Amino acid sequence: NAGVTQTPKFRVLKTGQSMTLLCAQDMNHEYMYWYRQDPGMGLRLIHYSVGEGTTAKGEVPDGYNVSRLKKQNFLLGLESAAPSQTSVYFCASRPRYTEAFFGQGTRLTVV
Amino acid sequence: KNEVEQSPQNLTAQEGEFITINCSYSVGISALHWLQQHPGGGIVSLFMLSSGKKKHGRLIATINIQEKHSSLHITASHPRDSAVYICAVASGTYKYIFGTGTRLKVLA
Repeated sequence: NAGVTQTPKFRVLKTGQSMTLLCAQDMNHEYMYWYRQDPGMGLRLIHYSVGEGTTAKGEVPDGYNVSRLKKQNFLLGLESAAPSQTSVYFCASRPRYTEAFFGQGTRLTVV
Repeated sequence: KNEVEQSPQNLTAQEGEFITINCSYSVGISALHWLQQHPGGGIVSLFMLSSGKKKHGRLIATINIQEKHSSLHITASHPRDSAVYICAVASGTYKYIFGTGTRLKVLA
């Protein structure tokens, strides 16, 4: 019973490099979210998806792209990483009217 | 002003003390969620509330929908309760709004 799995857990990137973070859930949840967590700022929504094939922008979408080609997977891409994207990234999923379940987080450092 | 406000931001308690963390929100919600995050750790669900009160072990969560307020209580606090406690509200169909968290430290 995996729940929500994020890969990788840690990554160091050089400025300008690209990468993709994968979030996978095995609970058949409709909604999936990507958040970033920075000291003193709480969790901020980057992008979200309300179903397979749909995505939408959250509060802080600039510099990120997402895709949800399969219901169970939600990918977050950084095309050209910047030091301002150094953060901890959390993925979450939930059914329509109940609680969210979170991945373990990805600690990303951009140097 | 944030749509979800928590107080206090930081809290230090002695082992055994009764602790209260507050959450106020300004939007319509379908449910409120209390979460726990240990340093460097993942986010764990504690409670999901839409009315009344829930209890799990030493943790009690209450919500007052009319006043748009929820409290999380910890009885007989222990150093292992040291963590960040986050309030989140489910608003509308998909929206999920977080407070900035309350950092709790329980001293032995």
